This record gives sequence, C-alpha cells and structure tokens, in this order.
Amino acid sequence: ELKVEQNPLFLSMQEGKNYTIYCNYSTTSDRLYWYRQDPGKSLESLFVLLSNGAVKQEGRLMASLDTKARLSTLHITAAVHDLSATYFCAVASGSRLTFGEGTQLTVNP
Amino acid sequence: EPEVTQTPSHQVTQMGQEVILRCVPISNHLYFYWYRQILGQKVEFLVSFYNNEISEKSEIFDDQFSVERPDGSNFTLKIRSTKLEDSAMYFCASIFVRTSGVRSGDTQYFGPGTRLTVL
Repeated sequence: ELKVEQNPLFLSMQEGKNYTIYCNYSTTSDRLYWYRQDPGKSLESLFVLLSNGAVKQEGRLMASLDTKARLSTLHITAAVHDLSATYFCAVASGSRLTFGEGTQLTVNP
Repeated sequence: EPEVTQTPSHQVTQMGQEVILRCVPISNHLYFYWYRQILGQKVEFLVSFYNNEISEKSEIFDDQFSVERPDGSNFTLKIRSTKLEDSAMYFCASIFVRTSGVRSGDTQYFGPGTRLTVL
C-alpha cells in the first residue's frame, strides 16, 4: 500500500523567510503532484513532477523530485502572506492519487 | 478556461437518506474521479471511472456507493443510505487521457466540491 508522508504538518513563518516542505512516499511512482488548497476551497494544481531530478518553479515556489530517495520538496522563497494555504503532495499509483496529510502554511507579516 | 463543476455546493441530509452528488467534468476529459475530504483531514480516493465503467475503487467505496455517467456530460456519485461518517467534502476530478492510457504529466483537475452534512 502506498503511503505518503508530509512534514511539517503545520508551518508558521514570517514574511521574507525561506522554508521547505518535504514529501516522502513508500513505493515507486512515475508522477508526483503538488496542490494548494485555501480554506473551504478546492484543490489547485501547482506542479507535476515526472522524472528523477525534475525541478519546476513558479513564482516563489519551487518543487523538486528525487525518485531514488522517494522524496519531493516544495521550497518557499521569501514568503508572502498570499502563500498562506494548505499544501498537499499527491503520488500517482495507476489511476488514483494518494495524498499526503497536507502542510498548513501560515505566513505572518 | 474549462473547469470541473459540481452541484450542489452544500447538501444537508438525514441519516439513512439517499443523496446524489453531481459533477460535470471538463468536456474533452474521459477519466473521472471522486475523492472525499473529511474536515481537517487529507483527501482520500474513492473511485475512478473510464469508458463507462469503474476502473479502480478504494476500500471506502463500499456497496453504499455507486457512480454513473447518465448522459454525455454528467458524472454522479450516489450514496444509498447515508451515515454520519459520510459527512465530508466530496470532490470530483477529471483528466484528459489518450487512447494509450493515462499520459504521464496529465493533471487531475478538481471541481469546487460538495459539502455533505449528514444529521
């Protein structure tokens, strides 16, 4: 059974600081996704990572994938308040996605 | 931009009642999903549907649940006899797929969700 673990689960950071969210998974997969969820809202796709060493960046967020270590990271650079949300990684197994527990990020002024 | 839509946005029902949650996937997508998210918890896979049949389902998707594509646009999730623990946000998702299977890199696009409250 595929297990996906994120850490930390809660992250409170100040504006302007950098931080990394980690996503570990237990079995081989060819696709890893990062989603953002605002309170009471749906899931917004941020990144799709397909291969070992893949790195994608959008604004202040950068995601990377190490398939050998079964690890993905989501790095936040110079955080701003608008980034406050819950971030989920999700690992594909066949047609289904298995989600991590989510990291609730709060960026304080 | 095309999007997945869901109705209703909020459904309140009594325990034991049947509910039908409706989804309209993105029009050229062929692979459909239902997920649920209990308040404050992670998103859980329920079922995937392709070519008018279930392709995969989780242990959560028991005999109380069924899915249907009644016409060319709607995709429904029926819960026959709701329980208190069915209270959750239910998300529909869809993905474009080529005839050779799920193409690596295709993203599952999620609808806005239906909040189901069972009293």
